[in-house]
Amino acid sequence: AQTVTQSQPEMSVQEAETVTLSCTYDTSENNYYLFWYKQPPSRQMILVIRQEAYKQQNATENRFSVNFQKAAKSFSLKISDSQLGDTAMYFCAFTLNNAGNMLTFGGGTRLMVKP
Amino acid sequence: GAGVSQTPSNKVTEKGKYVELRCDPISGHTALYWYRQSLGQGPEFLIYFQGTGAADDSGLPNDRFFAVRPEGSVSTLKIQRTERGDSAVYLCASSPGTSGVTQYFGPGTRLTVL
Repeated sequence: AQTVTQSQPEMSVQEAETVTLSCTYDTSENNYYLFWYKQPPSRQMILVIRQEAYKQQNATENRFSVNFQKAAKSFSLKISDSQLGDTAMYFCAFTLNNAGNMLTFGGGTRLMVKP
Repeated sequence: GAGVSQTPSNKVTEKGKYVELRCDPISGHTALYWYRQSLGQGPEFLIYFQGTGAADDSGLPNDRFFAVRPEGSVSTLKIQRTERGDSAVYLCASSPGTSGVTQYFGPGTRLTVL
């Protein structure tokens, strides 16, 4: 079974600064996907970024990038130039490389961006 | 295009009652998932449909929970004899199925059992 751990229950950052959210996971599989989802108070789970385990290059989406360390089973999210709208819960999630597999989520990190 | 929609947005019921929660996936998505999110926690998997059939229902907590997807599109999660511990946000997600693993979520239904 796969597990996902987010060790930071809460974090805060000043607007325009950079913050990194941590995620570790445990699996015996070699082919999988990792995701970061954002969940604002509206409850809508929004995809932020996705990483395929077979790709060595770290994924980047505008201000969001990841540091994927496969051997260490670590998948951190870096948010650059933080904006007030980034305030939300952030969840790290894992799924096997097989369409139809369930997502396994971490417990989440509550991020507060301060003006 | 339209995203995943869920109705109702909020549902308040009394202990012992029956409830139905509806999910309308993204058009063309063959895979549909239900998750349950308790307060302050990450979502937990309940059930997965590929087309009309439940391909994996290993996350359903007990036989009071049941889900259907009769025409391979809209799905209904049914909870019988509700208990206070069933209070949570129920999230639905869909994905293209065999052509993609990324899941897209609806806004969820907040169920409160009094």
